[in-house]
Amino acid sequence: EDKVVQSPLSLVVHEGDTVTLNCSYEVTNFRSLLWYKQEKKAPTFLFMLTSSGIEKKSGRLSSILDKKELFSILNITATQTGDSAVYLCAANFGNEKLTFGTGTRLTIIP
Amino acid sequence: DAGVIQSPRHEVTEMGQEVTLRCKPISGHNSLFWYRQTMMRGLELLIYFNNNVPIDDSGMPEDRFSAKMPNASFSTLKIQPSEPRDSAVYFCASSTGGIRGNQPQHFGDGTRLSIL
Repeated sequence: EDKVVQSPLSLVVHEGDTVTLNCSYEVTNFRSLLWYKQEKKAPTFLFMLTSSGIEKKSGRLSSILDKKELFSILNITATQTGDSAVYLCAANFGNEKLTFGTGTRLTIIP
Repeated sequence: DAGVIQSPRHEVTEMGQEVTLRCKPISGHNSLFWYRQTMMRGLELLIYFNNNVPIDDSGMPEDRFSAKMPNASFSTLKIQPSEPRDSAVYFCASSTGGIRGNQPQHFGDGTRLSIL
């Protein structure tokens, strides 16, 4: 069964800190890996990664994929209280289905 | 541009009643997905459509659940009869992907369903 595992389950840091969130996945028919941010409502799309070693960046957020070791990381630098959310990782294992991890709950303390 | 639109935002009903959730995908998107999110099981795919045709319904929990997509701009998820264990947040998402996949999905705000 296709599987996506995220760690840590939760993380509490102070504003201004840098955080790294982890996502590992199974290899069967892997196509792409996606990161979403979920606050109170809809998951909002952050990044989609298909190639190993190429960093995607948006402001203070960045992400990279390692297809050899089957994992991805999401980095957030200079964290702000607005970064508090659940961060979801999902993998596309072929056709259009996404398998989601259970998420990392990030809390930023002012 | 309007995102994925779901209705109702909240639904509270008694066990045994029929529940219908509605979704309007982003214009031009040809794939539509229904998910269920609970604390215990996280975000699970129930069914998805491509060009209004159901492609994979293996995530539909049982015969009480059904989904339709009569046209490119509308889909429904129906539960009949509803049970307390169906209580969850139901999300609809859409994408421009096709059978080849590999396009990000964009989510609606969800319907929070409570079955008493």
